[in-house]
Amino acid sequence: ETGVTQTPRHLVMGMTNKKSLKCEQHLGHNAMYWYKQSAKKPLELMFVYNFKEQTENNSVPSRFSPECPNSSHLFLHLHTLQPEDSALYLCASSQERDRGNYGYTFGSGTRLTVV
Amino acid sequence: LAKTTQPISMDSYEGQEVNITCSHNNIATNDYITWYQQFPSQGPRFIIQGYKTKVTNEVASLFIPADRKSSTLSLPRVSLSDTAVYYCLVGREGSTLGRLYFGRGTQLTVWP
Repeated sequence: ETGVTQTPRHLVMGMTNKKSLKCEQHLGHNAMYWYKQSAKKPLELMFVYNFKEQTENNSVPSRFSPECPNSSHLFLHLHTLQPEDSALYLCASSQERDRGNYGYTFGSGTRLTVV
Repeated sequence: LAKTTQPISMDSYEGQEVNITCSHNNIATNDYITWYQQFPSQGPRFIIQGYKTKVTNEVASLFIPADRKSSTLSLPRVSLSDTAVYYCLVGREGSTLGRLYFGRGTQLTVWP
């Protein structure tokens, strides 16, 4: 257990479904991130939240919708996904300090399969 | 953000020392060097971070030469459980929000 908990661990959804991924951290961190990792590809940064405010959207399609209600929780709402969206979705958190961050803590990820 | 280059894969045997070198020719003055380890279907795990010279913790050592254009992650006496992908990242100190971009990493395979 890393201190960052992601649920569910596995998710299979149809292209017309709506589902949500959840991430929770109790490390006292003030920044949270969504990453996507497709097979044989590097991790791709999707969204960045700092103190609940979204500070970066890395050209992610609108069928992915993030939500950060507080500094401890992060959601990724999914709707009308495509099969190519199948991937491991990773949540991470970090503590931003005046002199930069000192390492990310990642969750174990949600393995998403779109059928 | 400084680009990093590291070998795609490496092989080793149990009990050996493994050194993975990363090149970052465009590293900036206030950039730190960070290494992560990732097992299949898990998130990356922070291993070590350094700015210059040598850093050591209970898991690994990080060697950074004076010009800081490269760094070497050293894993002493590896075991089968060290088989994983290792990422070298360069992150900027003092950025508005530190965010790390991962390359393809180095797949380390440890054989019995």
